Amino acid sequence: AQSVSQHNHHVILSEAASLELGCNYSYGGTVNLFWYVQYPGQHLQLLLKYFSGDPLVKGIKGFEAEFIKSKFSFNLRKPSVQWSDTAEYFCAVMGENFNKFYFGSGTKLNVKP
Amino acid sequence: ETGVTQSPTHLIKTRGQQVTLRCSSQSGHNTVSWYQQALGQGPQFIFQYYREEENGRGNFPPRFSGLQFPNYSSELNVNALELDDSALYLCASSVREPFANTGELFFGEGSRLTVL
Repeated sequence: AQSVSQHNHHVILSEAASLELGCNYSYGGTVNLFWYVQYPGQHLQLLLKYFSGDPLVKGIKGFEAEFIKSKFSFNLRKPSVQWSDTAEYFCAVMGENFNKFYFGSGTKLNVKP
Repeated sequence: ETGVTQSPTHLIKTRGQQVTLRCSSQSGHNTVSWYQQALGQGPQFIFQYYREEENGRGNFPPRFSGLQFPNYSSELNVNALELDDSALYLCASSVREPFANTGELFFGEGSRLTVL
């Protein structure tokens, strides 16, 4: 069965600390990978995506993610977090037919000023 | 703002009743998908509509059904409500074309359903 696992449910960091959020997926086929973010009081929005090509993708606000096919992983990273990065982050997988989405359970990031 | 609007924002129903949730897609988007998000969980894919036809479905029973209209607005209908149906229901619109699938979803704020 298709699934997306996010290992960290709640992460607390101080400003300027480095961030890495884990995401592993189980899907039998070509995948398209996403990270979505939900800032407090706002709707879900796209942070970055990977379809093909360079496995290291860059998104908005200094975030990046690396697709490692052999590990079925798509971890999110940021070298130095800011208080404004406080949000909930969701990893998602979309099948090759663009007609099914699978989201992880989310990671709440709390950045202390 | 995503341009995706959902109604109602909150509603309360009793077990066994039926509910209809509505979504207005962002202009120019021809695809809509619906998600159920229980407290503390990620969005769970219910189904997707493209050009008024369901073209993808998650692990939800048939009592979850939908419609997409020519103007790309959409409805989610849930029959025979159960207590476990209490959740936030999210609508997302996107563009799907043969050679231009961005895959990006534009979400609405959601409709919070409570089943008593």
